[in-house]
Amino acid sequence: DVKVTQSSRYLVKRTGEKVFLECVQDMDHENMFWYRQDPGLGLRLIYFSYDVKMKEKGDIPEGYSVSREKKERFSLILESASTNQTSMYLCASSLHGTGGGGKLFFGSGTQLSVL
Amino acid sequence: DQQVKQNSPSLSVQEGRISILNCDYTNSMFDYFLWYKKYPAEGPTFLISISSIKDKNEDGRFTVFLNKSAKHLSLHIVPSQPGDSAVYFCAASVPSGTYKYIFGTGTRLKVLA
Repeated sequence: DVKVTQSSRYLVKRTGEKVFLECVQDMDHENMFWYRQDPGLGLRLIYFSYDVKMKEKGDIPEGYSVSREKKERFSLILESASTNQTSMYLCASSLHGTGGGGKLFFGSGTQLSVL
Repeated sequence: DQQVKQNSPSLSVQEGRISILNCDYTNSMFDYFLWYKKYPAEGPTFLISISSIKDKNEDGRFTVFLNKSAKHLSLHIVPSQPGDSAVYFCAASVPSGTYKYIFGTGTRLKVLA
């Protein structure tokens, strides 16, 4: 089974802090994604990566950056955390790009609270 | 602009009956549609998908129907079980080259024993 592991289940940070969310997948997937889930808004794509060192902005990239130095690891960085970034963050990976019905495999999520 | 919409935030169904979850979309270029199930404190898990060239796909108790002219898809669960209680998200994939999935806002299904 594909395993997508997010380093923290819960995080509490202060406004202005730099925050790192880590994600590791063990199935040699090319594509990795960061989503955030908010009540009433569903899952919104922040960034995705289709190869090492390659990244593309999603729908809500403002205030975030990403890093993919190794194929299995995709990091989400909040440069200066703000209260409106309090959310559930979900990492996902897939073998194929979309346009082939490639399934996304999700991690368990990181609930981030910014105070 | 929400390209994938789930207009019912919640649904309650008796155990053994049919659950019907609905999803509407606006972009006729979507090529695949997927349903995900999410339990509290867990990540979403893939349930079933359908290609835009088909109108029905079935997997056990789960069937997805696609009506392209109406830009509407639905997930039928028969018979519903208490373990089906979860939040269900529909998602649509943008044609290849962009690697993007657009998710709806989710419908919380509660199956009553």
